[in-house]
Amino acid sequence: DGGITQSPKYLFRKEGQNVTLSCEQNLNHDAMYWYRQDPGQGLRLIYYSQIVNDFQKGDIAEGYSVSREKKESFPLTVTSAQKNPTAFYLCASSIREPVTPDGYTFGSGTRLTVV
Amino acid sequence: AQKITQTQPGMFVQEKEAVTLDCTYDTSDPSYGLFWYKQPSSGEMIFLIYQGSYDQQNATEGRYSLNFQKARKSANLVISASQLGDSAMYFCAMSPIGTNAGKSTFGDGTTLTVKP
Repeated sequence: DGGITQSPKYLFRKEGQNVTLSCEQNLNHDAMYWYRQDPGQGLRLIYYSQIVNDFQKGDIAEGYSVSREKKESFPLTVTSAQKNPTAFYLCASSIREPVTPDGYTFGSGTRLTVV
Repeated sequence: AQKITQTQPGMFVQEKEAVTLDCTYDTSDPSYGLFWYKQPSSGEMIFLIYQGSYDQQNATEGRYSLNFQKARKSANLVISASQLGDSAMYFCAMSPIGTNAGKSTFGDGTTLTVKP
């Protein structure tokens, strides 16, 4: 079955460390996204990519970086410049952007905690 | 700027009854799509239903229907015959149709609890 795989499920980061969250999809979707979710809140867009080797900043890109070297993969790096990274991170994909009536397909998320 | 408002932080419903989850929106885009997603405690978001701003009829998908009132800018989700497995957080989202790529907006969600 096609889907999105996020790893790891749980991640702990020390102060000053960079960490990378993995997101892989086998749906042949062109567009991929990273969202951040804080407790009791909705999703906020960090970065998105409409096509390989191209990506755009979302609403809260500061302290994060991404790459899109392959259609299937869209890793997110949380850098030491992100002062409050503890959150739930969701990766999503869609057939294309703007999103179609099929909506987004989401991964199962990565819960990042600063220790 | 787009905005989604979900005014019900939490809702309770008795098993087998129907429940309506409210969603109002604000946008300057002439064409847009409205989505509802379900997030169980496992964390994964699941797409439920879609309504286009140009659609004349309300969308339905099984036990889910979307009560779309364009003039009032509301897109309420109706779940009929609630089941225990419907207990989850529900998010309303809006995406422009056209050139404003990457501008999907999510509400803060409503937590639904189905009582046996």
